[in-house]
Amino acid sequence: GAVVSQHPSWVICKSGTSVKIECRSLDFQATTMFWYRQFPKQSLMLMATSNEGSKATYEQGVEKDKFLINHASLTLSTLTVTSAHPEDSSFYICSARVSWGTEAFFGQGTRLTVV
Amino acid sequence: AQSVAQPEDQVNVAEGNPLTVKCTYSVSGNPYLFWYVQYPNRGLQFLLKYITGDNLVKGSYGFEAEFNKSQTSFHLKKPSALVSDSALYFCAVSRGSGNTGKLIFGQGTTLQVKP
Repeated sequence: GAVVSQHPSWVICKSGTSVKIECRSLDFQATTMFWYRQFPKQSLMLMATSNEGSKATYEQGVEKDKFLINHASLTLSTLTVTSAHPEDSSFYICSARVSWGTEAFFGQGTRLTVV
Repeated sequence: AQSVAQPEDQVNVAEGNPLTVKCTYSVSGNPYLFWYVQYPNRGLQFLLKYITGDNLVKGSYGFEAEFNKSQTSFHLKKPSALVSDSALYFCAVSRGSGNTGKLIFGQGTTLQVKP
């Protein structure tokens, strides 16, 4: 299967700072990637769709100015949590859909803790 | 609106016994259905999918699922459970028409296999 890698796996930051999370497709090109958020013991909620070379599309209720998404290449999408607050603490997971198949492949996730 | 439901928060089975993790869905049109497994603090691993064709789908690690259109169900099964199968399982449906890459997830079911 295709490999999607996220970095970092976990990060702790101070309230008010910004944090960048990277999502890479290691062995395929991904024109579209997806960012999800998962609260403890809850399901995954789609935050936004990252489109290579164009603006991301955000789900209703997701603040685009707070969660900045950049998809500058066919193998890399980044999510920047700006001015992070404790309520932004969560597990963030990216995924990418391969062009030759129908399933999405997920990164290992990033545990963000804002203190 | 499209939705996925997993009616059981937790399923407990003894090692060697068959297991079933339930999933029902609500979509318009033909569904693209998926099962993923998540281990603690990890991303999601793809298990299997139903797109079209045979209602019984076989996937990774000995898992299979049966698509039942009349009951709008897609239950995950395994003939003989292993302790290592203990994890969080998500059923998902592709949002929108066809394979958009965007997934709507059920709330997840924790599978506990006891030796």
